[in-house]
Amino acid sequence: DTEVTQTPKHLVMGMTNKKSLKCEQHMGHRAMYWYKQKAKKPPELMFVYSYEKLSINESVPSRFSPECPNSSLLNLHLHALQPEDSALYLCASSQEEGLQAFLYGYTFGSGTRLTVV
Amino acid sequence: AQRVTQPEKLLSVFKGAPVELKCNYSYSGSPELFWYVQYSRQRLQLLLRHISRESIKGFTADLNKGETSFHLKKPFAQEEDSAMYYCALSGRGGNTPLVFGKGTRLSVIA
Repeated sequence: DTEVTQTPKHLVMGMTNKKSLKCEQHMGHRAMYWYKQKAKKPPELMFVYSYEKLSINESVPSRFSPECPNSSLLNLHLHALQPEDSALYLCASSQEEGLQAFLYGYTFGSGTRLTVV
Repeated sequence: AQRVTQPEKLLSVFKGAPVELKCNYSYSGSPELFWYVQYSRQRLQLLLRHISRESIKGFTADLNKGETSFHLKKPFAQEEDSAMYYCALSGRGGNTPLVFGKGTRLSVIA
């Protein structure tokens, strides 16, 4: 398995809802990432997990809450989002942070397209 | 801090013409440079990485440390090359994850 799988593919939620995005990989990668991509913009880093521990939080608002229950799974819990949070949320993984990521780059999932109404 | 600059938002070329997508970077350490491609309605895919010096789908990219550039080139554009291309940079250290340029949309005209 050489893919990063994200579910759901599409999500519409109200501003008072609580929902979660899921990301899974079975490549043995030990670093996982959440990126946010607005229309016609590049992906912007949100969070980095390394060996199931949060290593980077790019000053993301607390209404986004990441979780890494095990080495294959990464969740993004959403609560009280705003319409401007509507975007494509991308998950990625790499063999590990640092040298391996440096050498091989990241594998990206196809994303969850989130619409906040 | 690392920064990646892609000066062209849109590049249109005729089929069979040469293509050059520009990328310049700024990074204080030793960077690794990548090109990612995003075809319409498809996921972001790794196209090239500098360290492997490979040629994928006829594309090549050379790292020029003096000019801090990593331009993507192809001698003869094909219609199926039409896509969004992102130049990206990461550092060797653990706290320098992948950062993307703003992207260049390549449109190959038949």
